[in-house]
Amino acid sequence: SQQGEEDPQALSIQEGENATMNCSYKTSINNLQWYRQNSGRGLVHLILIRSNEREKHSGRLRVTLDTSKKSSSLLITASRAADTASYFCASPGGKLIFGQGTELSVKP
Amino acid sequence: EAGVAQSPRYKIIEKRQSVAFWCNPISGHATLYWYQQILGQGPKLLIQFQNNGVVDDSQLPKDRFSAERLKGVDSTLKIQPAKLEDSAVYLCASSYSGRLDNEQFFGPGTRLTVL
Repeated sequence: SQQGEEDPQALSIQEGENATMNCSYKTSINNLQWYRQNSGRGLVHLILIRSNEREKHSGRLRVTLDTSKKSSSLLITASRAADTASYFCASPGGKLIFGQGTELSVKP
Repeated sequence: EAGVAQSPRYKIIEKRQSVAFWCNPISGHATLYWYQQILGQGPKLLIQFQNNGVVDDSQLPKDRFSAERLKGVDSTLKIQPAKLEDSAVYLCASSYSGRLDNEQFFGPGTRLTVL
């Protein structure tokens, strides 16, 4: 079974708006990773947050982690058309296990 | 730095035929992974190598799938015989070590269509 489950499954926004994606996982983790996949660059690692961290920033990305709720969120601020992609959370459950992804569409 | 290379990029075969995929990881990366990604789903790990040894192949359908990494560098994944449900993108990834906090670098994938 999938370790991570993303929500929503699909999200459509206008350029400049913020996009928030959520991830829930089932078992205890020591870190959680977010990946982006698009047709141009394939699957790319975005950011890793450790279990002892609550929030982490990288450029326009902000990730939060709530281990008590077994959930994480990815916020993309000031979205661009180039952010159009599928976003996956992945957590190690003995191995890296990916959720089904959130498909983000950013319209110019 | 060169990325993970995979070939072929696309393959169309008929069911019961055989197919092989090739992967060359980033130089110096000890760990190599093969994932299967079915349309609309996230990647699923098939097999993980540490150098030339298998670390995890628990989700590899061993009756039809096989993989090797003989010299601890490049790797091949084979399907024999293929079934319709094997239609997917096969992704190869590598990381510096097998630590779960290591970033994995993915290749472009091979899109397999089984008719």
